[in-house]
Amino acid sequence: SAVISQKPSRDICQRGTSLTIQCQVDSQVTMMFWYRQQPGQSLTLIATANQGSEATYESGFVIDKFPISRPNLTFSTLTVSNMSPEDSSIYLCSVRGPTNEKLFFGSGTQLSVL
Amino acid sequence: SQQGEEDPQALSIQEGENATMNCSYKTSINNLQWYRQNSGRGLVHLILIRSNEREKHSGRLRVTLDTSKKSSSLLITASRAADTASYFCATEEAAGNKLTFGGGTRVLVKP
Repeated sequence: SAVISQKPSRDICQRGTSLTIQCQVDSQVTMMFWYRQQPGQSLTLIATANQGSEATYESGFVIDKFPISRPNLTFSTLTVSNMSPEDSSIYLCSVRGPTNEKLFFGSGTQLSVL
Repeated sequence: SQQGEEDPQALSIQEGENATMNCSYKTSINNLQWYRQNSGRGLVHLILIRSNEREKHSGRLRVTLDTSKKSSSLLITASRAADTASYFCATEEAAGNKLTFGGGTRVLVKP
């Protein structure tokens, strides 16, 4: 299993500002995944963060809006830039387990943008 | 885009009853997984069924997979109030390494 520490757990931000979310994993992992969950909806993959290379973004998500860092094999950050109320969501980081099948998730960051 | 569609969207049952939810998907898959989410927090993996398996059990959970119909079901037997949560199916497509999540079923178990 993998234990993921994600912070902050929640934040209330003003529009136009940026928020950086951090995820720390208790073991080295090749890929980390960032998901967004809009209110009452399912999870949508934002990007895959690989150590030593640029993150791979899914359709509809761009690096300027959601820059990602992956400085080592246990840590990643996601920044939500120039926020608007439409960015109000839960943001989740996750990693694959040792068998590379199931996902382990952080506890999520509940973001509200006013 | 969403791979899995789940039904029902919401389910309300009495403690002790069984809860069944279904998931349909569109493309060929390596495996299908079910996750639980409590109160909008992180998801917890429940069970994984591979494309060459038809049924799997884990405690009070029973999962079936019908690849010809591209559908799966999750049965929770003898439900408890603590089973109140949202349940999501997720598919790993045969062509890639990503998990794609369904819309989820919100389950309320009344004591």
